[in-house]
Amino acid sequence: GESVGLHLPTLSVQEGDNSIINCAYSNSASDYFIWYKQESGKGPQFIIDIRSNMDKRQGQRVTVLLNKTVKHLSLQIAATQPGDSAVYFCAEPYNPGTASKLTFGTGTRLQVTL
Amino acid sequence: GAVVSQHPSWVICKSGTSVKIECRSLDFQATTMFWYRQFPKQSLMLMATSNEGSKATYEQGVEKDKFLINHASLTLSTLTVTSAHPEDSSFYICSASRGGSSYNEQFFGPGTRLTVL
Repeated sequence: GESVGLHLPTLSVQEGDNSIINCAYSNSASDYFIWYKQESGKGPQFIIDIRSNMDKRQGQRVTVLLNKTVKHLSLQIAATQPGDSAVYFCAEPYNPGTASKLTFGTGTRLQVTL
Repeated sequence: GAVVSQHPSWVICKSGTSVKIECRSLDFQATTMFWYRQFPKQSLMLMATSNEGSKATYEQGVEKDKFLINHASLTLSTLTVTSAHPEDSSFYICSASRGGSSYNEQFFGPGTRLTVL
């Protein structure tokens, strides 16, 4: 698959503020994206996903936005909490249209300050 | 549900020895398991895809004779790092998939920290 990358390596946010983590992808055929949260020393944890037929999807305190025109997606975390401190990765299947192995972006470290 | 475990969670070994890491799907049958390697402050890099009962498919640049993968049952896959060297020190993470067409069926284990002295 083609690369999935992130703009910002580290994001510092004050507790209670909203966080926005960005991800750019290069394959215009990409049809599915996943956001993972990885805490220090642990495996990735699924947060939310979105298919290319959607522009927006909401979960609990999280929203993913997909802009296919510019091949960009973002993860928004509302009312950021200290427990949100982690590295966040976007990912997509190597082969669009299949439930296959994943390509991970470079990751963004979210630091929540008190 | 959909819990994946790894054992051990961390291991320290001497250079030249072999280390086996287990990945288990605890409450579901995993037709496919994936092995990733993650260096500090870097992303996950896929090493290989393992299907139950068949040979693993390795990614380009991953030595299959050095990283032996066995997926003998639908709930267990093992990764053996043979003749480990300090440059093999890394965080190894497995994931397991039930298969089927739903994309969000890949569940990750907690990872194994390997340190080779």
